[in-house]
Amino acid sequence: QSVLTQPPSASGTPGQRVTISCSRSNSNIGSSPVSWYQQLSGTAPKLLIYSNDRRPSGVPDRFSGSRSGTSASLAISGLQSEDEADYYCAAWDGGLSGQVFGGGTKLTVL
Amino acid sequence: QITLKESGPTVVKPTQTLTLTCTFSKFSLSASGEGVGWIRQPPGKALEWLALIFWDDDKRYSPSLKSRLTVTKDTSKNQVVLTMTNMDPEDTATYYCAHNRNGFFFTFDFWGQGTLVTVSS
Repeated sequence: QSVLTQPPSASGTPGQRVTISCSRSNSNIGSSPVSWYQQLSGTAPKLLIYSNDRRPSGVPDRFSGSRSGTSASLAISGLQSEDEADYYCAAWDGGLSGQVFGGGTKLTVL
Repeated sequence: QITLKESGPTVVKPTQTLTLTCTFSKFSLSASGEGVGWIRQPPGKALEWLALIFWDDDKRYSPSLKSRLTVTKDTSKNQVVLTMTNMDPEDTATYYCAHNRNGFFFTFDFWGQGTLVTVSS
């Protein structure tokens, strides 16, 4: 059971805005920065967001991250078919002294 | 552009020790702030962090797997090696190595393509 809880699935139509939540069940990661990774089918994960809301160069500004209390969110605006992928949140758990990943959210573009 | 590539056996038998090598380019693990991590993903399942080694030889391990893992670096060869003892069929997974973004703890900005390891007799 991950200490980071994500909905198993999400969906949207092209052009829509979708959000994916990541809830922390463990207070030991309450202040830890959250990262988000995108994993297209059959490929390695790709860093989308780090330090809660920062984008690496090359990541479109359609992708944005935010954090509020013990939750974090990834928002994708102007949804495109190529956004269909699995999305994972991640954070450092001080109590466990380890990195934890959420269970992943499968995004379907209808 | 930073690149990383994992290499090692594709099949190991239960109880054996797995040794994986990550060969990287365009950064040096002797440079301040640099780090390389290992993450795995069982088929159809979520990502799981395993280990992380920094330029100063600081090493971090997943608490649940710490007793089975060892990570080392060879800066002259630009390689990081992960060993996992007492392999079990539940350890069947794609194993990735990844570059830790300098200055950001546990933030993996470049990943290898991954290598699938199957544990079977």
